[in-house]
Amino acid sequence: AQTVTQSQPEMSVQEAETVTLSCTYDTSESDYYLFWYKQPPSRQMILVIRQEAYKQQNATENRFSVNFQKAAKSFSLKISDSQLGDAAMYFCAYRSAWGSGAGSYQLTFGKGTKLSVIP
Amino acid sequence: EPEVTQTPSHQVTQMGQEVILRCVPISNHLYFYWYRQILGQKVEFLVSFYNNEISEKSEIFDDQFSVERPDGSNFTLKIRSTKLEDSAMYFCASSPQGARNEKLFFGSGTQLSVL
Repeated sequence: AQTVTQSQPEMSVQEAETVTLSCTYDTSESDYYLFWYKQPPSRQMILVIRQEAYKQQNATENRFSVNFQKAAKSFSLKISDSQLGDAAMYFCAYRSAWGSGAGSYQLTFGKGTKLSVIP
Repeated sequence: EPEVTQTPSHQVTQMGQEVILRCVPISNHLYFYWYRQILGQKVEFLVSFYNNEISEKSEIFDDQFSVERPDGSNFTLKIRSTKLEDSAMYFCASSPQGARNEKLFFGSGTQLSVL
């Protein structure tokens, strides 16, 4: 079974600065998808960015980018020019790309990192 | 952007009682999901649902749980006889085609407290 680990329960960043949230995962699969979801105080989880494991190029979405290191099984999220609205819980998640066995279809989440943005 | 809506936002129940958590997925989505998060723990998959059938379920989703799409718009999770350990935030989600790289659209959750 796959596992996702987020080793930083809480992080803080000054407004306009850059912060990196860490995520590592364990899998024996070669093809999979990785996601970062944001959960603001409204509780609704929103997709921030996704990465396909077969793509070497790191995904970017505006101020959000990832550092995907497949060999190291690491998938960190970088937030540039942090804004007050970025304050939220951030979840890293894994999903298998193939297979029909038990657990292959579900999203597997980490425990989350709570990000605070200091004005 | 369209939203997944969940009701109620909070539910308190006595141990042993039945509860039904309700969700309205996005209208043209085909795949529906329930996840839950016990306080301080990971978000965990419960079940996925497609074409009026369960497509996958986790070990958590035992005989006490059931899902239904009774009227083509609502998607419900029923817990038959609640236990203290069922206390958690329950999230409903939907996705358009169920492709593995698709984003899931989550609702705001129902906080279930079992006393």
